[in-house]
Amino acid sequence: GAVVSQHPSRVICKSGTSVKIECRSLDFQATTMFWYRQFPKQSLMLMATSNEGSKATYEQGVEKDKFLINHASLTLSTLTVTSAHPEDSSFYICSARRSQETQYFGPGTRLLVL
Amino acid sequence: QKEVEQNSGPLSVPEGAIASLNCTYSDRVSQSFFWYRQYSGKSPELIMSIYSNGDKEDGRFTAQLNKASQYVSLLIRDSQPSDSATYLCAVSRYNQGGKLIFGQGTELSVKP
Repeated sequence: GAVVSQHPSRVICKSGTSVKIECRSLDFQATTMFWYRQFPKQSLMLMATSNEGSKATYEQGVEKDKFLINHASLTLSTLTVTSAHPEDSSFYICSARRSQETQYFGPGTRLLVL
Repeated sequence: QKEVEQNSGPLSVPEGAIASLNCTYSDRVSQSFFWYRQYSGKSPELIMSIYSNGDKEDGRFTAQLNKASQYVSLLIRDSQPSDSATYLCAVSRYNQGGKLIFGQGTELSVKP
């Protein structure tokens, strides 16, 4: 399978600070990357679709000014959680689309906001 | 009605048995179907993809798709304790840019 990395794997921050998460496709070019959030015992919730060179498409209910997404190259997308609050604590997972349909997931970033 | 439905489980099977995981979907225009495995605290890992009616086999895994019944299943033969995980069914529609719709997942426990 294809390799997707995320950095950092775990981050703890104070309330009000911003956190940037990187998602990289290591062995293929991904025109589309996706960002998900997963709370304990729940399934993945799609937050946004990130297309290289264009603005991200956000799902209903996801604040685009709070979750800033940049897809600057075919191998890198970043998610910045701005002014993070404890309720933003979650498991953030990116995926990259390799072929027409198949998505490969990164290992995830666990965010804890104190 | 949820777009993609799975029994949340837990589904418990003895080691060596066949585990059968089921998934139904509501939108007939769904075109691609995926099974992901997620271990606790980890991200999902792709197991199988299936696009046409019938069976698709890969090692101990067999995916079955029946578009008329809007049903997709995953069979795991010779189940091992290491198969214990949550299995996520996902579907996508061609005109939605590859966006995946996930079911809530079925927790599988394989007892030694």
